Amino acid sequence: NAGVTQTPKFRILKIGQSMTLQCTQDMNHNYMYWYRQDPGMGLKLIYYSVGAGITDKGEVPNGYNVSRSTTEDFPLRLELAAPSQTSVYFCASSQGLENIQYFGAGTRLSVL
Amino acid sequence: QKEVEQNSGPLSVPEGAIASLNCTYSDRVSQSFFWYRQYSGKSPELIMSIYSNGDKEDGRFTAQLNKASQYVSLLIRDSQPSDSATYLCAVKVAGNQFYFGTGTSLTVIP
Repeated sequence: NAGVTQTPKFRILKIGQSMTLQCTQDMNHNYMYWYRQDPGMGLKLIYYSVGAGITDKGEVPNGYNVSRSTTEDFPLRLELAAPSQTSVYFCASSQGLENIQYFGAGTRLSVL
Repeated sequence: QKEVEQNSGPLSVPEGAIASLNCTYSDRVSQSFFWYRQYSGKSPELIMSIYSNGDKEDGRFTAQLNKASQYVSLLIRDSQPSDSATYLCAVKVAGNQFYFGTGTSLTVIP
């Protein structure tokens, strides 16, 4: 049972480049989330989705875009990478009244 | 702005002792509360969830919630070296948004 799968695991970008972080879950969860975690800090919510076709901004959405065309996939797009976007990115999914989140293994991104 | 506050630590306890981790939150309409454990370089994993005032026990872990004081805690009994990690407090508010604290680093000394 794969759970939440994130790709790539590591990536180095140059300033101004763009990329898409992939997130797929096989638990048929309606809710999906993108977080970033800076060193020594907690997780900050970037975007979230309550179902296919529905997305909403979290705490720190600037510089990012998302889409949710299927229940399984929730990609995160960085259009013009900046050094401030150097971070570890976690995708999570949840379901049900308890809404317990299950996290992917993370993507470590460096923007140089 | 919704805030979740935790002591960053580090908190050190000897093996077999009780570790006490605390968290306060600012949003009075917070609905659900979670404790996650995060090992260095790994993703968070759920330890406990709690939704109503009082205590909730699961094995060596006890979560305590006091909504009037906007306070949630995690007790780890019989602490083991494998419990050494960062513990993140998370709060769910209306609209399915979650807010995380910065985490408390726990070291259990053998």
